[in-house]
This record gives sequence, structure tokens and C-alpha cells, in this order.
Amino acid sequence: QVQLKESGPGLVQPSQTLSLTCTVSGFSLTSYNVHWVRQPPGKGLEWMGRMRYNGDTSYNSALKSRLSISRDTSKNQVFLKMNSLQTDDTGTYYCTRSGWYFDFWGPGTMVTVSS
Amino acid sequence: EIVLTQSPTTMAASPGEKVTITCRASSSVSYMYWYQQKSGASPKPWIYETSKLASGVPDRFSGSGSGTSYSFTISSMETEDAATYYCHQWSSTPLTFGSGTKLEIK
Repeated sequence: QVQLKESGPGLVQPSQTLSLTCTVSGFSLTSYNVHWVRQPPGKGLEWMGRMRYNGDTSYNSALKSRLSISRDTSKNQVFLKMNSLQTDDTGTYYCTRSGWYFDFWGPGTMVTVSS
Repeated sequence: EIVLTQSPTTMAASPGEKVTITCRASSSVSYMYWYQQKSGASPKPWIYETSKLASGVPDRFSGSGSGTSYSFTISSMETEDAATYYCHQWSSTPLTFGSGTKLEIK
């Protein structure tokens, strides 16, 4: 069955770089797009960017200068790297697959930016 | 960027009551999508392409609209429907979400 799971450090210091991994199973990264969506505590959802099935990427312009998304198809993994983290980057980070819509989501990983 | 404005922000409904949430887009979008999120859980797809129910969604839910004005309706509220609902567009990047409507049971 289709599954996505995020993994990452949990705690990141201000000004440092966040590295997250989304490990997928049950589908091929060369057939579906995978997106990153984040959610600050108690707030709404923000689309960060996507890795398309063909390897192209697109980013939210608000984050573009700090954000990079890549993948390793042999390991079924999509990576997120975001630099210059600040406290307002604290939140839950989700990866999600899109077919006709965001049809499967990972459980999310909580990231806290704090010294 | 297309801004999605949801209303109301919060509401409470009694079992059996009809519920309507609206989502207005700052520019025309082709379709609207809706997600349900319960506390501590990931969002779930609920309605796609404006009016199609995602797998497993009860038929008391419906969606409608076009252009810049969309709505999400529950014909008869049930306790399990208490959640936050987000509208979402992907007609243009950046993809955007509404700020959410928290629906509580009265």
C-alpha cells in the first residue's frame, strides 16, 4: 500500500539548516509528484514545494531562496533542505503525494527551531 | 499568489444540522479542493475537483462553486465531522490553502 514517512532532526538551532527525508513505498517517484507542506503549531497549511515525477522542482516563492528539494529514486526518498532557519519555521512538516489531489500524506515530523 | 479566504473561521453545529463553509479565491481557479484535519493527524483528502468525494467520504458531504466562489456543505452534521476543513487550489503556483474552518459539535 502507499505510504510516506518523514524523518528529520526534531530540533534545529536558529540560523542552521534543516534536512528532512520523505521515504515512500507502494509507488514510484518517477510516476507521481511529491510535495512538502508545513504547518506551524495551531495554524494553517503552507505549501513549500514539489518534486515532480520527471525530476523537475518548483518552490513557493516565499521560501525559494532558502529551500531545495531533491530525490534519490533508487532509495525511494525525497529530500528537503532549508537554510537560515528561524523560530517561525517551527512546525510539523509533511510530505504528500499528488495524483488528482494530495491523496496520501505522511504522519508528519515536528521540527522545533530553538537554541 | 492566489489567496483563499474561508468563512467562517470557527463554527459549531448540532447533530443533524446543515453546515456550509465558503471559500473565496482572489483570482479565478479551475477547481477547489477540500481537506479534513483532526487534531494531531495529517490532513485527509475530502473533496476534489470542486464536487467529487474522495474515497470513503460519506455522501452527506458535497462541494460546489466556480470561478472565485466555492462552498462545502454537510447536509446533516454528525459528531465524527468535527474537524478543521481547509480549501485548497492548485490552479497556479504557489499552491495555496485557506486558513481553515474549525467545525465543532454543539
